[in-house]
Amino acid sequence: QKEVEQNSGPLSVPEGAIASLNCTYSDRGSQSFFWYRQYSGKSPELIMFIYSNGDKEDGRFTAQLNKASQYVSLLIRDSQPSDSATYLCAAFLSNFGNEKLTFGTGTRLTIIP
Amino acid sequence: GAVVSQHPSWVICKSGTSVKIECRSLDFQATTMFWYRQFPKQSLMLMATSNEGSKATYEQGVEKDKFLINHASLTLSTLTVTSAHPEDSSFYICRVTGPLNTEAFFGQGTRLTVV
Repeated sequence: QKEVEQNSGPLSVPEGAIASLNCTYSDRGSQSFFWYRQYSGKSPELIMFIYSNGDKEDGRFTAQLNKASQYVSLLIRDSQPSDSATYLCAAFLSNFGNEKLTFGTGTRLTIIP
Repeated sequence: GAVVSQHPSWVICKSGTSVKIECRSLDFQATTMFWYRQFPKQSLMLMATSNEGSKATYEQGVEKDKFLINHASLTLSTLTVTSAHPEDSSFYICRVTGPLNTEAFFGQGTRLTVV
């Protein structure tokens, strides 16, 4: 079982609609969760991080965390063509000085004008 | 502004030569830096953990003699790909954990093409 799993997509969403990206993780000790956006040929850029159960909102983005279900999601409201990219989910585990940031394989999102 | 600076952003080299990639932490001292490799349409795979003042820790399957890591100071780590081959062509990215231990900052990445 992969440690962080994402649907690889592609996920196509009409412009202006809500895009919903999902991620599950296997290690219950994971403490923080990150969503990165990666354009082709570029390095990942951080969109949001979340470490408490519930929702965290930042502009058009909302991250949702459910530790009991080991589930993290990212909602993008009012989707724009510029949101078309691959979205990487990552889980962070820090244990006695050792840390591990594990990435999912990413979901490719396409916003259709 | 950028928190982590990685150079070069792209490099083309001949097979058998060596390439050095630099990763600098700009805003804070980083005792630990991480090096990842990403092949097309795949996720980031951790190669090694770079520790200032000590030897790097390599992930299983990564050749330490081929991928030399030097963490010379609290703000600089280098990855040298020795005797590069076409199969080493990839996107190499460094990462630094933020001082609050809740964030991860990436360098801009280096696209290596070995011909």
